[in-house]
Amino acid sequence: NAGVTQTPKFQVLKTGQSMTLQCAQDMNHEYMSWYRQDPGMGLRLIHYSVGAGITDQGEVPNGYNVSRSTTEDFPLRLLSAAPSQTSVYFCASRTPGQDGGYTFGSGTRLTVV
Amino acid sequence: RKEVEQDPGPFNVPEGATVAFNCTYSNSASQSFFWYRQDCRKEPKLLMSVYSSGNEDGRFTAQLNRASQYISLLIRDSKLSDSATYLCVVSPWNAGKSTFGDGTTLTVKP
Repeated sequence: NAGVTQTPKFQVLKTGQSMTLQCAQDMNHEYMSWYRQDPGMGLRLIHYSVGAGITDQGEVPNGYNVSRSTTEDFPLRLLSAAPSQTSVYFCASRTPGQDGGYTFGSGTRLTVV
Repeated sequence: RKEVEQDPGPFNVPEGATVAFNCTYSNSASQSFFWYRQDCRKEPKLLMSVYSSGNEDGRFTAQLNRASQYISLLIRDSKLSDSATYLCVVSPWNAGKSTFGDGTTLTVKP
């Protein structure tokens, strides 16, 4: 039971490059989210999804796109990387309801130079 | 005002101490509440859900006060291994958008 798998674990990008952070879960969770966490800061919601084909913006969506074509996968695309996007990115999934706490992936540490 | 606010910390306590964290939320429609633990440079991990009646898991007790819109976490008999950042999470019922507090850092010292 892999849970939530994120790839890559580390990435260095040059300003202006684009890339996709991958996230997959094998728990059949309806909800999936992407968060970023800057050093010494809390988690900020980028985008989230409540099911295949349904996505919505979170607190800090600018510069990022998402899609949810299947229940399992929720990739995050950086359109044109900027140094301000240097951060740790966490993908998480959960089921609805009170017992549906998030399960997190181990994170992608992204540096934009 | 932030949607979810936590005690700023840090909390530095000796082993064996009892420590309590509070978390307030502004959205009265919130229905699901959780406490998470995050170790340095690791992903957050679910510590416990918080139910209206309060719930306990070993040395950890969570309480919810809907009238005052806050949740709390009590840790009894603190261990060195409890040193971490504790995050509270608030979600509307059956909605995918969850909001995390910024976390409270706990350091338990020998």
